[in-house]
Amino acid sequence: SQQGEEDPQALSIQEGENATMNCSYKTSINNLQWYRQNSGRGLVHLILIRSNEREKHSGRLRVTLDTSKKSSSLLITASRAADTASYFCATALYNFNKFYFGSGTKLNVKP
Amino acid sequence: NAGVTQTPKFQVLKTGQSMTLQCAQDMNHEYMSWYRQDPGMGLRLIHYSVGAGITDQGEVPNGYNVSRSTTEDFPLRLLSAAPSQTSVYFCASSLTSGSTDTQYFGPGTRLTVL
Repeated sequence: SQQGEEDPQALSIQEGENATMNCSYKTSINNLQWYRQNSGRGLVHLILIRSNEREKHSGRLRVTLDTSKKSSSLLITASRAADTASYFCATALYNFNKFYFGSGTKLNVKP
Repeated sequence: NAGVTQTPKFQVLKTGQSMTLQCAQDMNHEYMSWYRQDPGMGLRLIHYSVGAGITDQGEVPNGYNVSRSTTEDFPLRLLSAAPSQTSVYFCASSLTSGSTDTQYFGPGTRLTVL
């Protein structure tokens, strides 16, 4: 399966700390996207990084992509209680109109 | 814009019953898809559509049918519900091909099959 795997499965930090979660995948990709899911809600798109990009920033989010290691990381700086959610990576292959989601990292930010 | 809407929000079925989960978007998106999410797991693609009249299978299509007669609507039909289909179902849409665009998700339908 192409499905990505996030690591760690769960992460608990204090407000103000940085949170880092990782995603590994199995085959060559067109792009990789990160999504957030608040409890009981649908997913919200955070950031997309293309296979020819190595790093991307959006506000307090920093995403890196290492295609040689088939891995990506999402860094949330200066976390807030409102960042408490599950975070998923999704990979898209070339020439396929399909996404493959990982199993997610559950982040808990304590106030 | 209402975005992506799904009905119903909750549904309980008995084994063998059939039903249709509704999904609609008002953003004129070409690409629409259905996922299921089981506890502790990521989303798995059931079916997708790249435009009206065009559908294709995802990772877990068995037991589900779809059709796309309009750009706006993409219903998911459960032909004969089984307990293994107990899950949360999400519909998503994006402007063009799902692999290169941001997907917008609906709020989900929580389905229980007894």
